[in-house]
Amino acid sequence: DTGVSQDPRHKITKRGQNVTFRCDPISEHNRLYWYRQTLGQGPEFLTYFQNEAQLEKSRLLSDRFSAERPKGSFSTLEIQRTEQGDSAMYLCASSPGFRSGNIYEQYFGPGTRLTVT
Amino acid sequence: GDSVTQMEGPVTLSEEAFLTINCTYTATGYPSLFWYVQYPGEGLQLLLKATKADDKGSNKGFEATYRKETTSFHLEKGSVQVSDSAVYFCALSAQGAQKLVFGQGTRLTINP
Repeated sequence: DTGVSQDPRHKITKRGQNVTFRCDPISEHNRLYWYRQTLGQGPEFLTYFQNEAQLEKSRLLSDRFSAERPKGSFSTLEIQRTEQGDSAMYLCASSPGFRSGNIYEQYFGPGTRLTVT
Repeated sequence: GDSVTQMEGPVTLSEEAFLTINCTYTATGYPSLFWYVQYPGEGLQLLLKATKADDKGSNKGFEATYRKETTSFHLEKGSVQVSDSAVYFCALSAQGAQKLVFGQGTRLTINP
């Protein structure tokens, strides 16, 4: 068990460019989550997958954002036509398909820090 | 909607001091409550949790009790160490929901 991994760890891009982030969940975790964390704030939920199905999307996930989990394993988050307001830490988490004490415990990756110049 | 409000930071204490970080929440039904910790350069880690009223979560000397009557989940530790320096997040998961709702975080610095 190597934990949740995210790639890249840092990304600097110019406004208007497209960026894509990857998340590899813990092996056999069938639930995967994306969150965004801006400076000085707590993480905010973006979207959630169970296997390959995207079951919930936040209103924060504008039309420029798209997330996929094509084979129910790794996931990608793409931001098109980036804006300076997209600068944030993008966090991925995964959880197993069974409850632990009545909850699906989420394990977080180290995050991808995006800077839009 | 559901929300979490945390004590504003930063908080600076001396080693061996008593720690309290306040957390209150707004949610319908019976949410599950969590404290996460983020050490410098690392990802969020679950510190402790409680899933029903009057439950006490505990880990690494930290404790928090789920108080339904005051909608609170305050984090406490009797004697902090320099290694406890980190950012602490209170969070909830609404009944039947998958997502976590986080507070804004409290930065804690412990001086030797």
